[in-house]
Amino acid sequence: NAGVTQTPKFQVLKTGQSMTLQCAQDMNHNSMYWYRQDPGMGLRLIYYSASEGTTDKGEVPNGYNVSRLNKREFSLRLESAAPSQTSVYFCASSEGQRGTQYFGPGTRLLVL
Amino acid sequence: LAKTTQPISMDSYEGQEVNITCSHNNIATNDYITWYQQFPSQGPRFIIQGYKTKVTNEVASLFIPADRKSSTLSLPRVSLSDTAVYYCLVGDMGLIGAGNNRKLIWGLGTSLAVNP
Repeated sequence: NAGVTQTPKFQVLKTGQSMTLQCAQDMNHNSMYWYRQDPGMGLRLIYYSASEGTTDKGEVPNGYNVSRLNKREFSLRLESAAPSQTSVYFCASSEGQRGTQYFGPGTRLLVL
Repeated sequence: LAKTTQPISMDSYEGQEVNITCSHNNIATNDYITWYQQFPSQGPRFIIQGYKTKVTNEVASLFIPADRKSSTLSLPRVSLSDTAVYYCLVGDMGLIGAGNNRKLIWGLGTSLAVNP
């Protein structure tokens, strides 16, 4: 039981490049989330998926897209990376929308 | 929208009880209060959640006064391994969505240092 896994662990991009951050959970949770964490800003919700087949915007969705591929997987895509997207990205899942969130180990992204 | 405020840092010693308070003056009726712990280079980990009064589990207690404008996380008899950042989260995940302008509001975290 691995919980929530994220790939890659670390990535360096040049401005304008695209990439997809992968997230998978093996707890059969319905809800999944993407956050970014920046110094002095705390955790901010980017997108979430209440259940398979649905996605919705969070607090800071601009510049990102998501795909809930199936119940296990929820990916985050940066179409044209910008230095302002340098951050640590966390994926989380929960059984229901009000349930305890379980977080992955994070992806550290540096955009030059 | 609820905004949370926590102390930036706290110091303690092994064996002491630590209380971390979070202020959330604009908490909404449907909002829950949840506390998470985060170690360096790891994702946050759930500690405890409550709506009102007192909640206790095997690792912590959460005290919420009647007006719900603040909450206090209590860690009994801390050890060196409790050195971490503690986050207060206020919100109702069931109401999140672009159409209703609800948010999950995370505090900026309290860095707790437990000394020998």
